[in-house]
Amino acid sequence: DVKVTQSSRYLVKRTGEKVFLECVQDMDHENMFWYRQDPGLGLRLIYFSYDVKMKEKGDIPEGYSVSREKKERFSLILESASTNQTSMYLCASSFGGVTGAFFGQGTRLTVV
Amino acid sequence: DQQVKQNSPSLSVQEGRISILNCDYTNSMFDYFLWYKKYPAEGPTFLISISSIKDKNEDGRFTVFLNKSAKHLSLHIVPSQPGDSAVYFCAASARYGGATNKLIFGTGTLLAVQP
Repeated sequence: DVKVTQSSRYLVKRTGEKVFLECVQDMDHENMFWYRQDPGLGLRLIYFSYDVKMKEKGDIPEGYSVSREKKERFSLILESASTNQTSMYLCASSFGGVTGAFFGQGTRLTVV
Repeated sequence: DQQVKQNSPSLSVQEGRISILNCDYTNSMFDYFLWYKKYPAEGPTFLISISSIKDKNEDGRFTVFLNKSAKHLSLHIVPSQPGDSAVYFCAASARYGGATNKLIFGTGTLLAVQP
């Protein structure tokens, strides 16, 4: 089975902190994605990566950055956390081509 | 600008009856569509998909219908079961560059199946 693992299920951080969310997949997928889920807004794409060291902005990249140094690992970085970044963060991976994505279990981040 | 829309935030049906979840999209370049199911505090799980060259795909109790001229797709669940109660997300695939696809999601529909 494909496994996408996010490092934390729940996180509480203070405003202004630098926050790292880690995601690892074990299926040698080319593509990796970071989404956030908010009530009434669905899943919105923050960043995605189609290869090591390659990254592209999604629909809501402001306040975030990403890193992909190895194929299996995709990190989301909140440079200076703010309360409006309180959300459920979901990592996903997929093969290239026309295919669906497999999701991790999510990280519930609360910024206080 | 919401490219994938699910206009019904919630739906309630009786066990054993049909559930119909709807989704509309605006981008005619979308060529692959998917439905995901999400329970609280878990990541979404893939349910069923359909390519734009088809108008129907069936997998057990789940059937997805695609009407390209109307830019509309729907998910039918027959018969509905209490375990189907979850949030359902519609997603559309847009190509980026060569073969890479990114998924654009709708806002979700909360399905409640009453025993």
